[in-house]
Amino acid sequence: DAKTTQPNSMESNEEEPVHLPCNHSTISGTDYIHWYRQLPSQGPEYVIHGLTSNVNNRMASLAIAEDRKSSTLILHRATLRDAAVYYCILASRGSQGNLIFGKGTKLSVKP
Amino acid sequence: SAVISQKPSRDICQRGTSLTIQCQVDSQVTMMFWYRQQPGQSLTLIATANQGSEATYESGFVIDKFPISRPNLTFSTLTVSNMSPEDSSIYLCSTALGQGSYGYTFGSGTRLTVV
Repeated sequence: DAKTTQPNSMESNEEEPVHLPCNHSTISGTDYIHWYRQLPSQGPEYVIHGLTSNVNNRMASLAIAEDRKSSTLILHRATLRDAAVYYCILASRGSQGNLIFGKGTKLSVKP
Repeated sequence: SAVISQKPSRDICQRGTSLTIQCQVDSQVTMMFWYRQQPGQSLTLIATANQGSEATYESGFVIDKFPISRPNLTFSTLTVSNMSPEDSSIYLCSTALGQGSYGYTFGSGTRLTVV
């Protein structure tokens, strides 16, 4: 599975939107872009995933660049509960399902 | 979607002993995955466990150290054997969220401290 690059940390103010970037310049045609987050003292939690088109769900939105070499996870209104490490992961549809985690972005949310 | 119950949530163990971690899924699943998260680090895959076959281990992990059982489609165990302080980590299990989903769910983790 291809590698992703994320900023080590980001800060946000509560109730403001947050844009978490991810670069994946070596993405292949069969790679899905997954986002997970890990709150303190918990296991990772699925946030969203996509292939080519932008995706929305109740937790977040995923904006995928036209060339698919980058993506952005958008939290529309950050809350204190959104403070976590966010992981951007590429997973091929043909893979056995295991995820290769990078270091992720640690998001801090200020009241 | 599948929900995993993992236990114990934490343990403190003496070096040289073994600890078995259990993961129970509330539905039948084909594959289960075991990860390790060392202090301040990201997750690293240990092995993939299919029911009815031997687990497949990633480079750097061996069956003698991390034996895995998968007796049925809802349960798996990971044993950390002959522990040393370097084994102090969080251990997590994972499986697919549901049929047709490409998302994965995780247990809450087992925080192991070896003294």
